[in-house]
Formats: sequence, C-alpha cells, structure tokens
Amino acid sequence: DAGITQSPRHKVTETGTPVTLRCHQTENHRYMYWYRQDPGHGLRLIHYSYGVKDTDKGEVSDGYSVSRSKTEDFLLTLESATSSQTSVYFCAISGQGGSYEQYFGPGTRLTVT
Amino acid sequence: DAKTTQPNSMESNEEEPVHLPCNHSTISGTDYIHWYRQLPSQGPEYVIHGLTSNVNNRMASLAIAEDRKSSTLILHRATLRDAAVYYCILRGSGGSNYKLTFGKGTLLTVNP
Repeated sequence: DAGITQSPRHKVTETGTPVTLRCHQTENHRYMYWYRQDPGHGLRLIHYSYGVKDTDKGEVSDGYSVSRSKTEDFLLTLESATSSQTSVYFCAISGQGGSYEQYFGPGTRLTVT
Repeated sequence: DAKTTQPNSMESNEEEPVHLPCNHSTISGTDYIHWYRQLPSQGPEYVIHGLTSNVNNRMASLAIAEDRKSSTLILHRATLRDAAVYYCILRGSGGSNYKLTFGKGTLLTVNP
C-alpha cells in the first residue's frame, strides 16, 4: 500500500467553524490532490498541488483553501464550514505524467451540523 | 477533458471472467487509459493503466482497441471481493491534465 494517511478520519463540527484536514505521504510524490465524494456525484476534485507552494483549483474549490509547505503534507481548510460541505474527503498522490497511477488515502468523513 | 462512457451496472457470477467495457472516442494521442475501482466504504484503488498495448498485472488485464477509441478491463476470475464501482478514466500529460476526472463508473455485482 502507498504510504498515504489522512487525519482526522472522522470529524463532526458546527456550521461556521474552521476545519483543517491533513494529508500526509511518505512516497515523495510531486502531485497531491483533494477530492470530495457525495452520493450521486462521484468524486470531484477540490484542489491539487504540483509541488511545494504550487497549488491550483479543481472543479469545486469554492469555500476551500489548501496549503503545501512540505512535499509530504497537503492541508485542506474549510474557512467557515457549511452543511453543504458534509462529505467524505479523499486525498490522493501521484507522480508526474499521465503514466503514473494515483493512490488514494482512506478518506475523512466530515459532518457539519 | 476527454470523456469516457461506461455501462451503469454489470453482473457476473463468481469464478467467471468479467469484461468491463469503456468507450473513449475523443481520446488524444497522449492520453493514458486508467482504471480504478472503489469498494464499498473505501477510497478508490488503482487497477491498471495503458497507452496503446494490452497490459496485464496481478489484478486484471487491459485490452485496448487498435484505434484506442475503446478499451476493456478483464477480470479473469471474479470473486466476491471484486464487487465494486469500476472507473475508466483518461489521464493526459502536462499541468492540470494530470488530474483524474471521475464519471459514475460501472457498478459490478458478483453473484456467489
């Protein structure tokens, strides 16, 4: 298994509070990604990173920010959580290039009440 | 992003081969064909990928049409553990094309 962990694995928070999810890898891969998965929508890309301090938006980036200060860590922050952000969040890593497979973390289940 | 088309669901019997089709008629010359699967309550899992030639690994085989407009994921002997949603995804080269765009995939049911 690829060395990728997510923390926390489960979190319940209240509307309006900030939340940070962490993705940590031990594979030294350049690319890291955050997805969310909701019933009926499949996986949707939130943000991705192509190197330290290099990030870009995905298709559902509103309400989310990310940071990558080290190769191994990619943080996803919900500045002010809303109920629509209740979801399962997956982090993924990959090497550079279309020939590289993407490995996914175990997911974080976030509930915003 | 180039799109893929997969059947919504398929059914198989345990220990029989399964052929999961995928159409990708707008594939570009540099797009790799990737397959992932997602078991219930788990994150997606890489299965196999290829560019032009057929590929085999311990999990499955990937058969790619000569014109690359379609491909087939082959599970040689389905087990109950293979019941999952299977995603066929094109992964390009360069910049944001490295990201994977997931469709709805094919839900595979394996009957004992």
